Amino acid sequence: QKEVEQNSGPLSVPEGAIASLNCTYSDRVSQSFFWYRQYSGKSPELIMSIYSNGDKEDGRFTAQLNKASQYVSLLIRDSQPSDSATYLCAVPLQAGGGADGLTFGKGTHLIIQP
Amino acid sequence: DAMVIQNPRYQVTQFGKPVTLSCSQTLNHNVMYWYQQKSSQAPKLLFHYYDKDFNNEADTPDNFQSRRPNTSFCFLDIRSPGLGDAAMYLCATSRAWTGGYTFGSGTRLTVV
Repeated sequence: QKEVEQNSGPLSVPEGAIASLNCTYSDRVSQSFFWYRQYSGKSPELIMSIYSNGDKEDGRFTAQLNKASQYVSLLIRDSQPSDSATYLCAVPLQAGGGADGLTFGKGTHLIIQP
Repeated sequence: DAMVIQNPRYQVTQFGKPVTLSCSQTLNHNVMYWYQQKSSQAPKLLFHYYDKDFNNEADTPDNFQSRRPNTSFCFLDIRSPGLGDAAMYLCATSRAWTGGYTFGSGTRLTVV
């Protein structure tokens, strides 16, 4: 059974600072990783995907992957109050992607303080 | 815009009264999923359809069933809802092996 672990928080970050969210996973053969943002009462929204070791940047978001350490992180630069949400880390149930769906961490609750 | 649509957004049902949640998609994705998410918990996969092939997660209760009459529609049937089935139910779609998943807006189920 694949496991995805996240610190549930809440993680409180001042507006304009960098928010750093972390995720570890149990399956060494996992190849793709996803970060979803979920506002209270809403469905998850994909914000980043990463497949290779290293960094991937998209606007204010940077995903970092270290497969040797089984660790993936999400950095949010210039944090805004609208970034306050729960961030879910997800890994495909099937190592090669396939169609078996995702397993999610419980999410980190991020609060950006104005 | 291509999207995943869930109806209704909010559903109140009585204890033990069968209820059906619906999901439709215009993305022409071949895989459709149903997740259950309880408060402050991770979404939990219940089952999925890969084309017409139904795949049930081992720990999904028998009380939960699903139908996919065509590519665009998928239904979640809860035969006898209990208080513990109150949750957000999320439909998602993907094109197998591409890694992209799209979620609908969810249906919040309340059992009274």
